Amino acid sequence: EVVLTQSPATLSLSPGERATLSCRASQSVGAYLAWYQQKPGQAPRLLIYDASNRATGIPARFSGSGSGTDFTLTISSLEPEDFAVYYCQQRSNWPPRFTFGPGTKVEIK
Amino acid sequence: EVQLVESGGDLVQPGGSLRLSCAASGFAFGIYSMNWVRQAPGKGLEWISYISSSSGTIYYADSVKGRFTIFRDNAKNSLYLQMNSLRADDTAVYFCAKEVAGTMDDWGQGTLVTVSS
Repeated sequence: EVVLTQSPATLSLSPGERATLSCRASQSVGAYLAWYQQKPGQAPRLLIYDASNRATGIPARFSGSGSGTDFTLTISSLEPEDFAVYYCQQRSNWPPRFTFGPGTKVEIK
Repeated sequence: EVQLVESGGDLVQPGGSLRLSCAASGFAFGIYSMNWVRQAPGKGLEWISYISSSSGTIYYADSVKGRFTIFRDNAKNSLYLQMNSLRADDTAVYFCAKEVAGTMDDWGQGTLVTVSS
């Protein structure tokens, strides 16, 4: 069973700064990794799929990279609306299940 | 515009049952796989169940296997989650999510289930 680990747990930054979030898988997931953003009281929103593809309507300041076991979500310059919790997620074929990482909270410094 | 609207959340006693619904609109519901994902208060996201477009393939997380049943009615553009033998640790917001190639690209706003005596 694949386990996803995210680091850091909390990232304290100021608007305009660059955010780098990490997601590590316990075994290779190829490029089948997604990133979601969730704000308090809201549903998650898909940001990145297949490790590096931006979902529809997602600003270019969000980018994803990586393959195998190590993945990164980068926000090039934080906007006030980007302060939220970010989750990575993968789907495994056996056992058939979807797994989320524990999340990284990006908070205002 | 894709819309997913969950309903059916409520306060229920331990050991009780509840059925959640997810009404879909704005897309061809019958050709997409769907999922239920939950989030306990102050916690992260937990996937709990998957159903393929034709209902031919169904998966459950170990935490709900044998207690929860996912099903859908494509004629009514609706997804359901029948929850039995509810426990306190099932307390969560339950989201339905549309899936494409292993990614959940659209989500409902969620419905709150509280299991407490």
